[in-house]
Amino acid sequence: DIQMTQSPSSLSASVGDRVNITCRASQGITNYLAWFQQKPGKSPKSLIYAAAVLHSGVPSRFSGSGSGTEFTLSINSLQAEDFATFYCLQYKAYPITFGPGTRLEIK
Amino acid sequence: EVQLVESGGGLVQPGGSLRLSCAVSGFAFSDHYMDWVRQTPGKGLEWLGRSRDKDNSYSTEYAASVKGRFTISRDVSKNWLYLQMNSLRSEDTAVYFCTRAPGGIFTGFYPEYWGQGTQVTVSS
Repeated sequence: DIQMTQSPSSLSASVGDRVNITCRASQGITNYLAWFQQKPGKSPKSLIYAAAVLHSGVPSRFSGSGSGTEFTLSINSLQAEDFATFYCLQYKAYPITFGPGTRLEIK
Repeated sequence: EVQLVESGGGLVQPGGSLRLSCAVSGFAFSDHYMDWVRQTPGKGLEWLGRSRDKDNSYSTEYAASVKGRFTISRDVSKNWLYLQMNSLRSEDTAVYFCTRAPGGIFTGFYPEYWGQGTQVTVSS
């Protein structure tokens, strides 16, 4: 199975900050990487697929990059509604696997 | 608008069975891969399995943790996706989500849209 790791596991930031979240795959997944945002009590929502393509309706302050085994989710100019938990997912091979999540909190 | 609405969760004893349902609307059900994913506070998000689209004969894939115990099926005439869960264990306690992948092969098949989830608790 392809193992996904994320760093940091938690992060404190302020409104207006730029943050980066890293996701690493235990083996190469080319660009079969998606990012999700989940708020408490809600289901995950798609942000990015194919490592760098924004899902419809996602604000342009979100961006994704990377290929192979290392990927980054960047959020420019954090807004209050962005504070949540973020997950990466690889869909290159079965079983599809998720990262453990990064909790983004307000400083 | 894509809508996925899960139902059927509840309390079940270890060794018991439960069938989850997912009512889908707003898209051509036959043309999309559909996945089940569960979430627990301890293990996070776990992909359980997949039903491919009509062109792939609705063939299925499963995670090792549920293979042989869980079965994914569809009623395409009624736009329902199902997850039949047998031989349930305490570690199957989780929120279960129905998800839909994008159509077409260019984007790859990942859980693009998610339902609201249904809680399953396995306990005596």
